[in-house]
Amino acid sequence: QKEVEQDPGPLSVPEGAIVSLNCTYSNSAFQYFMWYRQYSRKGPELLMYTYSSGNKEDGRFTAQVDKSSKYISLFIRDSQPSDSATYLCAMSFGNEKLTFGTGTRLTIIP
Amino acid sequence: DADVTQTPRNRITKTGKRIMLECSQTKGHDRMYWYRQDPGLGLRLIYYSFDVKDINKGEISDGYSVSRQAQAKFSLSLESAIPNQTALYFCATSDPSIGTQYFGPGTRLTVL
Repeated sequence: QKEVEQDPGPLSVPEGAIVSLNCTYSNSAFQYFMWYRQYSRKGPELLMYTYSSGNKEDGRFTAQVDKSSKYISLFIRDSQPSDSATYLCAMSFGNEKLTFGTGTRLTIIP
Repeated sequence: DADVTQTPRNRITKTGKRIMLECSQTKGHDRMYWYRQDPGLGLRLIYYSFDVKDINKGEISDGYSVSRQAQAKFSLSLESAIPNQTALYFCATSDPSIGTQYFGPGTRLTVL
């Protein structure tokens, strides 16, 4: 079993829809949770960062962490074609070595 | 200018050749990393360095070596390239205050 599981997709949704992306993990010691966005032929860029449980909102993006269920989510509201990318979840114990999910490829259809 | 740069961006080489991928950063971070990315496998850590005198193996270091020439420079070498090392390679740095990592644009390496 992988430490971090992420549905690879692909996921296609119409423009304006709410997108939900998820990861599950097995190691309860993870404390820091991140979402990266990767456009085709580019490096991953940090999108959201959360410490421990709870929600964090930044514009159209909301990150949720449920440590009791070992489950993290990223919600995108009012999705735009420019949101089409691969989304990677990542987590760490705090020593800065990140463990990544395999990524979910998202396409927003105009 | 980009904070993390990688050269070359694309490279095609033959089996058995020695290859060096270079990474430079202007973020002033001490910590640097090399990853490879393969379809369906995600990002896997090859080597990491917490300062100039500190080098550590990641989960897939066999067949690779690294050199930390300065705080800002971290190179990855393939001593004798083989086809299954064909992949996207990323360099990253990290911010020790919050533990997040910042990636370069990647090098697409093809070994024939």
